[in-house]
Amino acid sequence: LAKTTQPISMDSYEGQEVNITCSHNNIATNDYITWYQQFPSQGPRFIIQGYKTKVTNEVASLFIPADRKSSTLSLPRVSLSDTAVYYCLVGSPSGGYNKLIFGAGTRLAVHP
Amino acid sequence: NAGVTQTPKFQVLKTGQSMTLQCAQDMNHNSMYWYRQDPGMGLRLIYYSASEGTTDKGEVPNGYNVSRLNKREFSLRLESAAPSQTSVYFCASSRPNQPQHFGDGTRLSIL
Repeated sequence: LAKTTQPISMDSYEGQEVNITCSHNNIATNDYITWYQQFPSQGPRFIIQGYKTKVTNEVASLFIPADRKSSTLSLPRVSLSDTAVYYCLVGSPSGGYNKLIFGAGTRLAVHP
Repeated sequence: NAGVTQTPKFQVLKTGQSMTLQCAQDMNHNSMYWYRQDPGMGLRLIYYSASEGTTDKGEVPNGYNVSRLNKREFSLRLESAAPSQTSVYFCASSRPNQPQHFGDGTRLSIL
């Protein structure tokens, strides 16, 4: 299982773009990169998933370089409501989501 | 849209008591999962069920049992609660090879 490393915490201000980088040096060929968001007193919520290059949805963008040893979650123009913990997971969906490991995540605090 | 519903939301037990945490999903998902989350930490998988009628151990199964009652429901039982099982418990469900949908958790304190 690919181990991931993320910053423990980050601070930002409303309206700024936030980039959270995740390192996964031993990612396997079949592995995808998945990001979840967790608000206090709630369960994690799926944000975005990607395999290579760039993926964008209505919430975020995910940038994956050619060597796939890291990935960056980009949140455009954050607001106070984006304050949450963000988890980076690496694994093969076909291998079962039971194989994915949640680390401690990155605590993002957005300030007025 | 109910999604994944967990009951109860809060519970306090005494050491040695037993309890069953309930989870139900209305998305017709095959796979269901139970996790625990301790303060400041990520989620750890307790048990999962790939499909109705099957269950398998996850990372931290000791002290727990599960039942996949039908496609919708997946329960977690603590036979003899211990203070080390004080945690927030999350249930999740998913389609094969798709991201998981989580409930809002059961906060369990064992005195």
